[in-house]
Amino acid sequence: NAGVMQNPRHLVRRRGQEARLRCSPMKGHSHVYWYRQLPEEGLKFMVYLQKENIIDESGMPKERFSAEFPKEGPSILRIQQVVRGDSAAYFCASSPMSGGASREQYFGPGTRLTVT
Amino acid sequence: DQQVKQNSPSLSVQEGRISILNCDYTNSMFDYFLWYKKYPAEGPTFLISISSIKDKNEDGRFTVFLNKSAKHLSLHIVPSQPGDSAVYFCAASVTGTYKYIFGTGTRLKVLA
Repeated sequence: NAGVMQNPRHLVRRRGQEARLRCSPMKGHSHVYWYRQLPEEGLKFMVYLQKENIIDESGMPKERFSAEFPKEGPSILRIQQVVRGDSAAYFCASSPMSGGASREQYFGPGTRLTVT
Repeated sequence: DQQVKQNSPSLSVQEGRISILNCDYTNSMFDYFLWYKKYPAEGPTFLISISSIKDKNEDGRFTVFLNKSAKHLSLHIVPSQPGDSAVYFCAASVTGTYKYIFGTGTRLKVLA
């Protein structure tokens, strides 16, 4: 029973390139969340998606960032024209439809993005 | 504006003793509070949670206390073990959403 999977684990991009981060939720989970962690900081909520729907993107920067969770395949977090400030660890989490009695989300191992 | 605060960036405790990690919040619109543990190069792992209508929840060596009047929660680990050494995050769930607000974390070191 695989947990939340993220790939790649490490991604290096030059300024101006595009970064694509993938997340496969746990089996049976239909809710996906993306968080960003800057060095020495906590995780910051970015976006909450269900299949084919963005439910809450209040934490997403207005420009260059987008997310999707298609009917088939993983959820994708896309960052266009990356800048050095985008360097961070990006975590994906998933939860079952009900959200769980204790509200827990299950996190993947993260993708560490480095912009040079 | 940091709505969830962990004011102690680090804590060292002797093996077998109690570890107490603290968290303060400023928003009354949180309905669940959760604690996560994180090892380097891994994602956070859920430990324990508490509903805002309760004041205590216990699971094995882990107990979470919620003081709503003080807007404060704490995680007690008894007895502490070297494998508990990690960064601990408290998180609050915004009422009516599945959005978490995380604190900045406390690094716990349990000394053998």
